[in-house]
Amino acid sequence: GENVEQHPSTLSVQEGDSAVIKCTYSDSASNYFPWYKQELGKGPQLIIDIRSNVGEKKDQRIAVTLNKTAKHFSLHITETQPEDSAVYFCAAPYSSASKIIFGSGTRLSIRP
Amino acid sequence: DAGVIQSPRHEVTEMGQEVTLRCKPISGHDYLFWYRQTMMRGLELLIYFNNNVPIDDSGMPEDRFSAKMPNASFSTLKIQPSEPRDSAVYFCASSYSRVFTEAFFGQGTRLTVV
Repeated sequence: GENVEQHPSTLSVQEGDSAVIKCTYSDSASNYFPWYKQELGKGPQLIIDIRSNVGEKKDQRIAVTLNKTAKHFSLHITETQPEDSAVYFCAAPYSSASKIIFGSGTRLSIRP
Repeated sequence: DAGVIQSPRHEVTEMGQEVTLRCKPISGHDYLFWYRQTMMRGLELLIYFNNNVPIDDSGMPEDRFSAKMPNASFSTLKIQPSEPRDSAVYFCASSYSRVFTEAFFGQGTRLTVV
């Protein structure tokens, strides 16, 4: 079955610096890779996603890169701000079962 | 739209009792998902529906768990009898048109079984 591994589990960066979170997946047929942000006491919320016909996608300070050959994708947050502190989840489809599998999450803390 | 609405937000119950969690998806969404979140196991998909029909319930941990979707605007997740290891945050999410697209999550129900 599909396996999604996410690293690191915790990440602390200085405000203004960049943060990078990485995920690997096992199903080579996967073609949709979302990233969700979960703030304390709330449900996860989609912040960016990428489909396998592109290698990179940007939305203001957030970008996602995809390497299908290596089966990994990454979330990049530039110019980090205090409101970026949250838990971030990557996800990938388990294509044969038509469902999404989530990574284990990364707790990002932004130091003032 | 008010988003996905879950109730109750918090539930504390005694072991052996029946627990029912409720979800109202976003109007017009045809996929509904139930997830469980724990520190040990992360976000696990329990079951999902398409057009009110259960499609995949392979994530339901055991027969004590059951889910229904009697109409497009309402779903329930029931645990009977509840056990302390069921303590978790349960999320409902909905999406439109495809499984592999943005899922909108509710605020979750924090269940504590004592």
